[in-house]
Amino acid sequence: DQQVKQNSPSLSVQEGRISILNCDYTNSMFDYFLWYKKYPAEGPTFLISISSIKDKNEDGRFTVFLNKSAKHLSLHIVPSQPGDSAVYFCAARDRSESSYKLIFGSGTRLLVRP
Amino acid sequence: DAGITQSPRHKVTETGTPVTLRCHQTENHRYMYWYRQDPGHGLRLIHYSYGVKDTDKGEVSDGYSVSRSKTEDFLLTLESATSSQTSVYFCAISGQGDEQYFGPGTRLTVT
Repeated sequence: DQQVKQNSPSLSVQEGRISILNCDYTNSMFDYFLWYKKYPAEGPTFLISISSIKDKNEDGRFTVFLNKSAKHLSLHIVPSQPGDSAVYFCAARDRSESSYKLIFGSGTRLLVRP
Repeated sequence: DAGITQSPRHKVTETGTPVTLRCHQTENHRYMYWYRQDPGHGLRLIHYSYGVKDTDKGEVSDGYSVSRSKTEDFLLTLESATSSQTSVYFCAISGQGDEQYFGPGTRLTVT
C-alpha cells in the first residue's frame, strides 16, 4: 500500500513555461514533505521542503504547495529550463517515527523541451 | 555537497555469492540509511542506523543485513545474492532528521 503516490510517471513542458509536479499521500501523521531531483547515474539531491504547519514554501524558481485537507502537495517550477529535466521524487516523514524515515513516491520524469 | 561516498560504484556478481556495499560519510551525521531504487518503485528503505551499533529494518529488509561499527561507515551485506537484488543502491545521511543527503549510488547486477 503506497503511502506516497506520484500518479504521473512523466511530464513534458516547453522551456519557459510552468512545470507542475503532483504528489498525494494517505498518512495523516506525515509532518514534513520534501522534493528531490535526480539526474541519471547520480544520487538524488534535495530540492525543497515544507513543514505541515505551512501551506507554501518558495526557493527561487521552485515553490512547493501543501493542501493538508486534500493530502496533496505540488512542486511548481517557473520558468522551466532544459536543465530541470530529471526525475523528481516527493517524500514524506512520519512524525510518529523517531528514526526520521522518509517514504518516497515512485517519481515523475520531467522533460523540458527547448 | 554532503561528504558521502559509496563503494564500489558498479558491481557484477553471481547468484549465491555474498556482496558488501560500503557507505562512508565525513559529516559526522547520526542517521544513515540504505535504499534501493527500482523502476516504478521509487526509493525503498532497506535498513537504517541511528547510531554506532544501532540499526533497524526498513520496508524491504529481507535478504540484507547491515553493520555500523563507526559513525562514518555503514555497510550493507547481501549474504547470498539473488537476481531480484539487481538494483541501484543509495546510501543517505541525516543530521537532525530533516533532509537526507544521498551518495552517488552503487549499481549492482546479479547474474
